[in-house]
Amino acid sequence: GAVVSQHPSRVICKSGTSVKIECRSLDFQATTMFWYRQFPKQSLMLMATSNEGSKATYEQGVEKDKFLINHASLTLSTLTVTSAHPEDSSFYICSARLAGAPGETQYFGPGTRLLVL
Amino acid sequence: AQSVTQLDSHVSVSEGTPVLLRCNYSSSYSPSLFWYVQHPNKGLQLLLKYTSAATLVKGINGFEAEFKKSETSFHLTKPSAHMSDAAEYFCVVTPPGSQGNLIFGKGTKLSVKP
Repeated sequence: GAVVSQHPSRVICKSGTSVKIECRSLDFQATTMFWYRQFPKQSLMLMATSNEGSKATYEQGVEKDKFLINHASLTLSTLTVTSAHPEDSSFYICSARLAGAPGETQYFGPGTRLLVL
Repeated sequence: AQSVTQLDSHVSVSEGTPVLLRCNYSSSYSPSLFWYVQHPNKGLQLLLKYTSAATLVKGINGFEAEFKKSETSFHLTKPSAHMSDAAEYFCVVTPPGSQGNLIFGKGTKLSVKP
């Protein structure tokens, strides 16, 4: 149980275009989902926290107008990278917290590798 | 502020020998601590977690970690390394009562030699 999927797993796009990444909790309801960014050989950095039905909370330094997050249901959150540029190329990982689970356990998706040309 | 420091960026062991991945944390309160593993091109998998119950925590795949408050450490160990253990390991802390914000260490890459 507690499986999180991401789609697509890999995407290549041209500079200036927008890319949408989906994060789904397949077998549980997630009131809170998180979006992380991981640069090569570096750790994960939290970008934003997404609560179902409300606006996302962004970490300092993350542009909310560039990284649009929507958490429309208890099983789906989307991250849209708007007007992508080469410096947005990275590995984006989502996680979902099991509603009501103790110990703040988060379950992670497999990640989406974005390459902006 | 909470933080974690993974003391080694890369650890190399021989198959069958013990594994020790070091982690020290900084927290004003009793934190929740986790170890996650990331295999290439795969998602992060929870190995184990400490949430103020037993100080010795047993996880999956034979891993365990001991919470030592006096040393502010949460080192990950395994008695005998297997080739499949080769991966990136992250020590993670989350402040109590938070939304679950995870603060990641920089990671330790474990290599296992045959």
